[in-house]
Amino acid sequence: NAGVTQTPKFQVLKTGQSMTLQCAQDMNHNSMYWYRQDPGMGLRLIYYSASEGTTDKGEVPNGYNVSRLNKREFSLRLESAAPSQTSVYFCASSERLAGAADTQYFGPGTRLTVL
Amino acid sequence: AQSVSQHNHHVILSEAASLELGCNYSYGGTVNLFWYVQYPGQHLQLLLKYFSGDPLVKGIKGFEAEFIKSKFSFNLRKPSVQWSDTAEYFCAVSTDKLIFGTGTRLQVFP
Repeated sequence: NAGVTQTPKFQVLKTGQSMTLQCAQDMNHNSMYWYRQDPGMGLRLIYYSASEGTTDKGEVPNGYNVSRLNKREFSLRLESAAPSQTSVYFCASSERLAGAADTQYFGPGTRLTVL
Repeated sequence: AQSVSQHNHHVILSEAASLELGCNYSYGGTVNLFWYVQYPGQHLQLLLKYFSGDPLVKGIKGFEAEFIKSKFSFNLRKPSVQWSDTAEYFCAVSTDKLIFGTGTRLQVFP
């Protein structure tokens, strides 16, 4: 039982390049989330998926797109990376959508640097 | 908009000292409250949570937190910290989304 896995662990991009961050969970959770973590700002929600086939914007969605490929996988895409997107990205999952008392389980994170 | 405030940004303690980290939230309705911890180089993991019942909740590693509804607070406590408690601690409130505070970095020196 691996929990939540993310790839890659580290990535360096040049401004304007695109990339996709991958996330998968093996806990049969319905809901999945993408956060970014910046110093002094905590974690901010980028996008979330309440269930397979649905996605919604979070607090900071600009510059990102997501795909809920199936129940296990939720990817985050940067179409044209900008230095402001330098951050650590965390994927998380929970049995139900936040609002219930369900714990969110986090992946190990992807450290992204945009030059 | 809902928000979570953690007033202590950086706390430095010696081993065996007592710890209390403040957390206040702004939301008038029913909330679920969480404390997550991020040890150096690791991902976030749940420390404890409150959703109903006894307002004093106990978590892993000797941590506890008290929900005081009238003060909109959910402070984290530990009577005697250890070096291994060095980590970043995040308070979070769940309404329709999980809202995190900005985090408190705790350093414990032997």
